[in-house]
Amino acid sequence: AQSVTQPDIHITVSEGASLELRCNYSYGATPYLFWYVQSPGQGLQLLLKYFSGDTLVQGIKGFEAEFKRSQSSFNLRKPSVHWSDAAEFFCAVFSTGGFKTIFGAGTRLFVKA
Amino acid sequence: DAGVIQSPRHEVTEMGQEVTLRCKPISGHDYLFWYRQTMMRGLELLIYFNNNVPIDDSGMPEDRFSAKMPNASFSTLKIQPSEPRDSAVYFCASSLRGGLDGYTFGSGTRLTVV
Repeated sequence: AQSVTQPDIHITVSEGASLELRCNYSYGATPYLFWYVQSPGQGLQLLLKYFSGDTLVQGIKGFEAEFKRSQSSFNLRKPSVHWSDAAEFFCAVFSTGGFKTIFGAGTRLFVKA
Repeated sequence: DAGVIQSPRHEVTEMGQEVTLRCKPISGHDYLFWYRQTMMRGLELLIYFNNNVPIDDSGMPEDRFSAKMPNASFSTLKIQPSEPRDSAVYFCASSLRGGLDGYTFGSGTRLTVV
């Protein structure tokens, strides 16, 4: 069965430091992968998506993610975190078989001054 | 476009009462999804529509839950009767290609059943 694992429930980084959020997926075919961000009291916002082609994809707000098929991973990165990046981040995979998006449990990012 | 619009933003109701949540998708998006978010279960897909037709309602927890999409610009999720365990944030999302291109989420309705 398809699944998405985000190993870190929460992460704390200092403002200005680099960030990497981990995501591992289980999917038989070529995956459609996504990262979403959710600020408190808001809905999820699409950060970036990967379907095919270049394995390093750029998204909004300075985020990028790298698809590594050999590791079944799609980690999210940002070179320098700003205090406004504090939010919850969700990795997701779209299952063409069931025509559903499967979301990970989320990683909450805290940014300290 | 104003995005996906949900109403109300907050709803507090007593157990046993009927609750109706509303959603207006982005114009031109043929797919509409209802999700529920809780701390314990995360994001759960309840039901989705394509061209106003319900396609998969296997996530609807019980017969107390029902959803309709009478036209391309409006959908409702109804809970009757409501129970405390229905307390959650309910999100509506729409998509042009059914999720292949990702979703646009509304801001959600926070439902509290007391």
